[in-house]
Amino acid sequence: DIQMTQSPSSLSASVGDRITITCRASQNITKYLNWYQQKPGKPPKLLIYGASSLRSGVPSRFSGGGSGTDFTLTITNLQPEDFETYFCQQSYSIPLPFGGGTKVEIK
Amino acid sequence: EVRLEESGGGLEQPGRSLKLSCTASGFTFGDYAMSWVRQAPGKGPEWVGFIRSKLYGGTTEYAASVKGRFNISRDDSKSIAYLQMNSLKTEDTAVYYCARGATSWGYWGQGTLVIVSS
Repeated sequence: DIQMTQSPSSLSASVGDRITITCRASQNITKYLNWYQQKPGKPPKLLIYGASSLRSGVPSRFSGGGSGTDFTLTITNLQPEDFETYFCQQSYSIPLPFGGGTKVEIK
Repeated sequence: EVRLEESGGGLEQPGRSLKLSCTASGFTFGDYAMSWVRQAPGKGPEWVGFIRSKLYGGTTEYAASVKGRFNISRDDSKSIAYLQMNSLKTEDTAVYYCARGATSWGYWGQGTLVIVSS
């Protein structure tokens, strides 16, 4: 089974900052990597699919990159509503694990 | 507008069974695979399983943690997906979400809480 390792588990940032979250797969998943944002008490929200495709309606300050085993989610010009938890998830093969999550907190 | 609504959660004892429903609207239900994802308190999401559309055989896939105990089915005439959970364990305690799609999920329900406790 493929394991997903996400880092950091938490980070502190300020409004207007640029942050990058990393996700590593235990084996090659080509570009089958998705990123979600989750607010407390709500279901995850799909932001990025196919490693770098921005879902319709998601602000352009969110971007994804990478392929193979190493992936990134970058948020530029961090906004107050972005201080949430983010998860990566591989969609290459079953089972379909999520990463451990990254909580983005206000500095 | 795509809408998914889970129901059927509650408190159940270990070893017992529970059946969740996911009622869909706003899209042609039969054209899509449907998934279940759960999230234990304070933990990240965990994929539970999915059922393919009839076009792809209507077959199912499950996480190892639930295989042999959980069963996903669908009634396309009613636009409902089901999650039959048998031999419940305390570690099955979670919010259970249904989501549209097999391997990535752009639409989710709000979830239903399942608590397994004696």
